[in-house]
Amino acid sequence: EAGVTQSPTHLIKTRGQQATLRCSPISGHTSVYWYQQALGLGLQFLLWYDEGEERNRGNFPPRFSGRQFPNYSSELNVNALELEDSALYLCASSLGTGYQPQHFGDGTRLSIL
Amino acid sequence: GIQVEQSPPDLILQEGANSTLRCNFSDSVNNLQWFHQNPWGQLINLFYIPSGTKQNGRLSATTVATERYSLLYISSSQTTDSGVYFCAGGNQFYFGTGTSLTVIP
Repeated sequence: EAGVTQSPTHLIKTRGQQATLRCSPISGHTSVYWYQQALGLGLQFLLWYDEGEERNRGNFPPRFSGRQFPNYSSELNVNALELEDSALYLCASSLGTGYQPQHFGDGTRLSIL
Repeated sequence: GIQVEQSPPDLILQEGANSTLRCNFSDSVNNLQWFHQNPWGQLINLFYIPSGTKQNGRLSATTVATERYSLLYISSSQTTDSGVYFCAGGNQFYFGTGTSLTVIP
């Protein structure tokens, strides 16, 4: 069974640009979660999508947004990139609604120059 | 938000030793999970344990939901157990700062 896949592995952008990160969940999983792991700040919850709807959102500015497609894959978009957005962005997926065990992808390393 | 404290922050073990990692929450959570982040950065789900006790091989976990803490037990540690162990829970999936474990041969 394929795990959670994320692309790209690495992404280099400059300040002010926009970044799009992609995530494909484990087959059968309908929930997708996005997290930011920045140096010194730990793992912070960004967004939770289930069945195409945003279920919950972490304490991040509106320039962090995303969506979930009918095939349950998801995109995270970060607009007006700032230096402090440099981090590892992790996607996780789980079964159904409600709280379920989350399984993580390997992440996208976003570097802002 | 909910505060998540993990202890100890760092742990060095000789291969074969046992250890107990602790996770305290400042408020009740009903979706507590334990994860292992290996030295390559991959996060592996170890347990989904809102309450009670679970075991998986050399690892086991116990959550006492009424007292807002969870324990992760590692027995007969191996070098492959090295990495950072995180607990997480709450409606915003709050993560602790982790316990960094190094197992030396």
